[in-house]
Amino acid sequence: KAGVTQTPRYLIKTRGQQVTLSCSPISGHRSVSWYQQTPGQGLQFLFEYFSETQRNKGNFPGRFSGRQFSNSRSEMNVSTLELGDSALYLCASSLGGRPPVLRDGSSLRYYYTFGSGTRLTVV
Amino acid sequence: DQQVKQNSPSLSVQEGRISILNCDYTNSMFDYFLWYKKYPAEGPTFLISISSIKDKNEDGRFTVFLNKSAKHLSLHIVPSQPGDSAVYFCAAVRGLFQGAQKLVFGQGTRLTINP
Repeated sequence: KAGVTQTPRYLIKTRGQQVTLSCSPISGHRSVSWYQQTPGQGLQFLFEYFSETQRNKGNFPGRFSGRQFSNSRSEMNVSTLELGDSALYLCASSLGGRPPVLRDGSSLRYYYTFGSGTRLTVV
Repeated sequence: DQQVKQNSPSLSVQEGRISILNCDYTNSMFDYFLWYKKYPAEGPTFLISISSIKDKNEDGRFTVFLNKSAKHLSLHIVPSQPGDSAVYFCAAVRGLFQGAQKLVFGQGTRLTINP
């Protein structure tokens, strides 16, 4: 299977601009989640889309938005960019439904797959 | 509110010895915990997971221990190898069997293996 593809890999934008990032999940995966990674903050959950609907949202301002298309590809948009938005943006792909039988706690190895991320720099 | 915490920003271990990375959490409703390894400018790579109903899970050189009463988990790597040098993230999820996807991550621990 092809992995999770995020484009572009690197991006430089100016304060006040807006940006759109793209994530193509693994074929057959219906859930796409977005995370922001900044130094010292770890990975922070932005939102999750499943079957074109936002199912869950993190604590980010309304400038951060997303959508999902019928082919499960997802886009994330950030408007009115601020310097603090500089980060690595990661998306994670998963089937999205109940995971395979894991009652005994066996591995989630293949449940979530992350892309390589988009490095956004705001100047 | 940091529900998952990794209090050691960095750890240095000699090659061949044991590396122990720690993680604390506050939400007793988490039902699964995962450890990821991450290199700069790459996505996290899965290492090992454990259900909240277990207290230990082992996979090759990696073992995760869960102490629910202390709300603490640890990742043991034995023996440590130079290729293990990376940032390690602890993550937790609640409601996985209800389809919840949100992973709550710790801040990460940078592990350096010295030859």
